[in-house]
Amino acid sequence: AQKVTQAQTEISVVEKEDVTLDCVYETRDTTYYLFWYKQPPSGELVFLIRRNSFDEQNEISGRYSWNFQKSTSSFNFTITASQVVDSAVYFCALSGFNKFYFGSGTKLNVKP
Amino acid sequence: EAGVTQFPSHSVIEKGQTVTLRCDPISGHDNLYWYRRVMGKEIKFLLHFVKESKQDESGMPNNRFLAERTGGTYSTLKVQPAELEDSGVYFCASSQRWGNEQFFGPGTRLTVL
Repeated sequence: AQKVTQAQTEISVVEKEDVTLDCVYETRDTTYYLFWYKQPPSGELVFLIRRNSFDEQNEISGRYSWNFQKSTSSFNFTITASQVVDSAVYFCALSGFNKFYFGSGTKLNVKP
Repeated sequence: EAGVTQFPSHSVIEKGQTVTLRCDPISGHDNLYWYRRVMGKEIKFLLHFVKESKQDESGMPNNRFLAERTGGTYSTLKVQPAELEDSGVYFCASSQRWGNEQFFGPGTRLTVL
């Protein structure tokens, strides 16, 4: 079965704090892709990152970093020095053959 | 380059009525997907087109939902007759190839009263 679990429903932090959003996935596919999307209050889904199952290198993009660990089937997302503009719902997704499986999302509230 | 567009942005209908949602993918993207998010729940896959062909429609909830993609360009998703549980946000996405990132439209918020 394919499944993505985002156990954190909602997180609140104060600006400049670091925050990690957890994502755990299940798949029987040997080739798959993992994604993170951001959904700001305006509603659209904004692509953040894609990682394929053969590439376990961690990635850093500005204040964003991602930790992919196949051993624990996790693809966690860390925001360093959070800002109010980071407030949004963040979705982790798994791409099996032709389908995306989304987690239920984590709502991040960054307070000034 | 224009992104994925969806119309309408919001639709309010009564139970038993018909609604048609439209999605225009990014030009050149053969893959088009429909998803639905019911309030507070995960975004669920509905179906996937490759050009004008339905590649996978296993996520379609029942036969009240009909999706088409004429000529492999835009797609429509018709709900007939609508039920209360059909309320939610319907997202459309497109991609060039499987495994590539999917680019999402802004969604259509459907409210069935």
